[in-house]
Amino acid sequence: EPEVTQTPSHQVTQMGQEVILRCVPISNHLYFYWYRQILGQKVEFLVSFYNNEISEKSEIFDDQFSVERPDGSNFTLKIRSTKLEDSAMYFCASRAGAGGQETQYFGPGTRLLVL
Amino acid sequence: DAKTTQPPSMDCAEGRAANLPCNHSTISGNEYVYWYRQIHSQGPQYIIHGLKNNETNEMASLIITEDRKSSTLILPHATLRDTAVYYCIVKPYNTDKLIFGTGTRLQVFP
Repeated sequence: EPEVTQTPSHQVTQMGQEVILRCVPISNHLYFYWYRQILGQKVEFLVSFYNNEISEKSEIFDDQFSVERPDGSNFTLKIRSTKLEDSAMYFCASRAGAGGQETQYFGPGTRLLVL
Repeated sequence: DAKTTQPPSMDCAEGRAANLPCNHSTISGNEYVYWYRQIHSQGPQYIIHGLKNNETNEMASLIITEDRKSSTLILPHATLRDTAVYYCIVKPYNTDKLIFGTGTRLQVFP
């Protein structure tokens, strides 16, 4: 069964450093997402991406964040200058498209720890 | 904010049916009800979704009331591996984001 994959599974970084989280969405999916979950809190939407453009983003997704689909398979989330409060699980998701009710499938997540 | 209300926790004996309720009294006619679950800190796992008819798949059944103001997720024969947080999500048609609430923490015991 196809699935979303994410690398790395864990990332430790120093405050102020740049990090890139990588995701390989399900093949042939057209819509891509990043969510995050701070320890003990709710899963929060960050951004959605379609046709090489951001289609929707939350207030959390400020200028420190960016997303990119550098090739036909990867989808990345970059945090330019990490803060302590960026420590969280980051989940990538994808959906096939063709209609607003198609299901989003999530990856296993990357645990980011900012020291 | 989440448009759903769920009990914070429930228990279920292994092998019995787990019935997880969700209230969504402000749901609009074109909004679907989605159910996901999250085991430990893993990625949310899709379970089932529906609009107004009852739905069943290999994981669960979804019962939606006729007025669509509430629904119940049924795991017919709960196992220990079904211990997780279950999220009921109403997704508006005009947005692509899923808004997660705090969900129901289901504990399946032997």
